[in-house]
Amino acid sequence: EVQLVESGGGLVQPGGSLRLSCAASGFTFSSYWMSWVRQAPGKGLEWVANIKYDGSAKYYVDSVKGRFTISRDNAKNSLYLQMNTLRAEDTALYYCARGTAASDYWGQGTLVTVSS
Amino acid sequence: DIVMTQSPDSLAVSLGERATINCKSSQSVLYSSNNKTYLAWYQHKPGQPPKLLIYWASTRHSGVPDRFSGIGSGTDFTLTISSLQAEDVAVYYCQQYYNTPWTFGQGTKVEIK
Repeated sequence: EVQLVESGGGLVQPGGSLRLSCAASGFTFSSYWMSWVRQAPGKGLEWVANIKYDGSAKYYVDSVKGRFTISRDNAKNSLYLQMNTLRAEDTALYYCARGTAASDYWGQGTLVTVSS
Repeated sequence: DIVMTQSPDSLAVSLGERATINCKSSQSVLYSSNNKTYLAWYQHKPGQPPKLLIYWASTRHSGVPDRFSGIGSGTDFTLTISSLQAEDVAVYYCQQYYNTPWTFGQGTKVEIK
């Protein structure tokens, strides 16, 4: 059974940092692109970043470029999102999702709140 | 960036009736070299992660009931729920994965009339 379990969310002050993790199981993690998608309170879905199966290509939405870094450790079946210089508008539920094309499996999400 | 626009923003349909959601992309999401349309539909219920319904514009994901269907090409797409069930109450999103940034429509909320 495919499972994706996010962790690392929490309350952080503006300008602070957080590192999200996503533990994958039930599939060959190293064969899939992976993504982070977020949903701000009361808003729709927003794709944040994705990373190629071997980590050799990474893409970001403009609003997080230079502040967020996506990475993966295929030996640990884990996906990460390092978030620096956080802003209030980064407050959201962050999902990790599997998919080379469309995202076919999603975790339950981890909540990030940026507030003083 | 490719802008995805859904219509309507919300709709109320009687149980057993048809629900139709439209999605328009600001540019074609058909990749001519492989003739594939890079368009997906998701269902999102409160407190749950989004669920993939349709990919390649018309291919139903494993386990998705056949009352869900997708059609369209180029820039105009439709998701149809042929006979609305109570468990279909949710917000539905289209998404293009033709190029980055992948972008979603604003969502369509489906309710029971």
